[in-house]
Amino acid sequence: DVVLTQTPVSLSVTLGDQASISCRSSQSLEYSDGYTYLEWYLQKPGQSPQLLIYGVSNRFSGVPDRFIGSGSGTDFTLKISRVEPEDLGVYYCFQATHDPLTFGSGTKLEIK
Amino acid sequence: EVQLVESGGGLVQPGSSLKLSCVASGFTFSSYNMHWIRQAPKKGLEWIALIYYDSSNKYYADSVKGRFTISRDNSKNTLYLEMNSLRSEDTAMYYCAKDYSSYILDYWGQGVMVTVSS
Repeated sequence: DVVLTQTPVSLSVTLGDQASISCRSSQSLEYSDGYTYLEWYLQKPGQSPQLLIYGVSNRFSGVPDRFIGSGSGTDFTLKISRVEPEDLGVYYCFQATHDPLTFGSGTKLEIK
Repeated sequence: EVQLVESGGGLVQPGSSLKLSCVASGFTFSSYNMHWIRQAPKKGLEWIALIYYDSSNKYYADSVKGRFTISRDNSKNTLYLEMNSLRSEDTAMYYCAKDYSSYILDYWGQGVMVTVSS
């Protein structure tokens, strides 16, 4: 199975600063069709997860442009510029290139 | 407005069975693939099953393969997860999620809790 390793495990950020989360895959996530099935989700406290980014860098409808996804192959990054209070929660990367589909272990974002 | 409402959870003994339901509304259910994802208490997310829009294909995580069965009834806008031979490690919040396209999980239900304990 593909293992997604997220770092750091937790992150404490001052409001207005930038946060960066890494997701490293044990195998390349580029599918034979050229698409990379890598997504990012945010689970706010007490809520269900919500989609932020799909296809490495595409923001889902309504997601602020402060959220920027990047990367290729096995290394991916989610950057959150100008962190706001509503950004706190646990961020998960998710791959759907290989069966079975797998989530990263999560990164908890806290506000200082 | 898209809504996914799970039900059927509860406290069960090890080795028993349970069937979860997820009723969908606000979109054409029969046109979309659907997933089940679970989250053990204080743990991360674990994808467990996918069913295509027409039930032609089903995929499972190794942890549930052979014990869990995903199914759907498009006439009732309902997704199911039949769970057999339940173990304590199956204790989790179970979420259903809509697949926007290409395994993008754009809407999630609020989740239903399953506790396996004697």
